[in-house]
Amino acid sequence: AQKITQTQPGMFVQEKEAVTLDCTYDTSDQSYGLFWYKQPSSGEMIFLIYQGSYDEQNATEGRYSLNFQKARKSANLVISASQLGDSAMYFCASLYNTDKLIFGTGTRLQVFP
Amino acid sequence: EAGVTQSPTHLIKTRGQQATLRCSPISGHTSVYWYQQALGLGLQFLLWYDEGEERNRGNFPPRFSGRQFPNYSSELNVNALELEDSALYLCASSFSYGMTGELFFGEGSRLTVL
Repeated sequence: AQKITQTQPGMFVQEKEAVTLDCTYDTSDQSYGLFWYKQPSSGEMIFLIYQGSYDEQNATEGRYSLNFQKARKSANLVISASQLGDSAMYFCASLYNTDKLIFGTGTRLQVFP
Repeated sequence: EAGVTQSPTHLIKTRGQQATLRCSPISGHTSVYWYQQALGLGLQFLLWYDEGEERNRGNFPPRFSGRQFPNYSSELNVNALELEDSALYLCASSFSYGMTGELFFGEGSRLTVL
C-alpha cells in the first residue's frame, strides 16, 4: 500500500536559519507526484511545492526547495531563512496514478526569534 | 486501530441534486476537516469542525454545508450540485488543534456530477 512517513512530530528552528522537514514515501508506481502543504492555525492547506517522479532537478519555490532522492524514496522539504510566519504544520503528500492523494501525519514547525 | 473512514467511496449525481458525504474520525479525535481536491493539484479547504462547532470555513458558497455529530463524526452536504463540484472530497481528523497537530486523512469520496 502507498504510504507517506513523516518521522518528526515537531521541529524547532531559529529565525533566519534553514530547516529540513523529512518525508519518505513507499510506492512501487513509476509515475507519481510529491507535494508539500502548510497548514496554519486556520485549518486550510496551502500548497508549497511539487515534484514529479520524472523530474531530474529538485523543485524550488522561493524559500522552499524539495530535496528529492528517488533511490532513497525521500522528499524532504528545505525552508531557507526561516521566518516567524513559517510556524505551522507541514504535510507531505503523494499523488499516484489512481489520482489518490496520500498524506503523512505532519510535522509541527516552530520558529523562534 | 481504525483510521479515518469516509463513505461512500464513489457517488454519482446529476446537476441540481444533493450529495451527502460522511466521515468517521479516528477514535478520540475531536477535530474534523473537509477538503476538496479538484483538477489534480489543488486542495481547497472547505470546513473545520471541532467539538461539534464550526471553527472555520473556506471560500465556498453556502450550498456547501456540514455538521459534526456528538460522536464527532461529520457530514458534508452539497446542495444544488453543479458540474464543477465533481472532485475528490477528503476528510481528516486530529485531536483538538494545539495538541499534537497530527492530521490523519481518509481515502476520500469521489463525487461525479453529470
